[in-house]
Amino acid sequence: GEDVEQSLFLSVREGDSSVINCTYTDSSSTYLYWYKQEPGAGLQLLTYIFSNMDMKQDQRLTVLLNKKDKHLSLRIADTQTGDSAIYFCAESFDGGATNKLIFGTGTLLAVQP
Amino acid sequence: DAGVTQSPTHLIKTRGQQVTLRCSPKSGHDTVSWYQQALGQGPQFIFQYYEEEERQRGNFPDRFSGHQFPNYSSELNVNALLLGDSALYLCASTRGGELNTGELFFGEGSRLTVL
Repeated sequence: GEDVEQSLFLSVREGDSSVINCTYTDSSSTYLYWYKQEPGAGLQLLTYIFSNMDMKQDQRLTVLLNKKDKHLSLRIADTQTGDSAIYFCAESFDGGATNKLIFGTGTLLAVQP
Repeated sequence: DAGVTQSPTHLIKTRGQQVTLRCSPKSGHDTVSWYQQALGQGPQFIFQYYEEEERQRGNFPDRFSGHQFPNYSSELNVNALLLGDSALYLCASTRGGELNTGELFFGEGSRLTVL
């Protein structure tokens, strides 16, 4: 079945690290994605990882992939108030060539000053 | 370089009416997908167009239809609107076929309200 699960809410203090977790179900997923959505806006692609990778780092963002447990995480270092948003995890389904994405319900990240 | 652009940004319709939403993909992209995002939920895949053909479809009724033009832009049409069709409609673009790298960009969406 197609299902991506995320925790609903995470609160951190400015300057701390944030870790947002996600579990997915399709072991044949080619790519896994993290998107950010601010109120009333579209989805901003933060980063994505190919399924044969374990880790990807891009400035303040670190993605870890555990294929055995079908677990994906996004770590944001030195979290800022501007990072407050909803973060969506998504897996590509039915092969990367067609990029049909299955999204989680999103994690609301609240950054306290 | 313009990203994915969608129009209109907001619109209000009444039950039973029809709506057309438009999308222009990011420069260099030839594949367009449409997603529906209801309030408080993650986006749901509607369908995808590549080479002017519908390639994949999600679990949406036939009231939802689309088209892709030779310049890769796309339209989403919804007939016989229901209250439950109220949502943010998102367009995403990527390179299809062998040029696909997994990179998928979204537009800002069209917010549809059905009264």
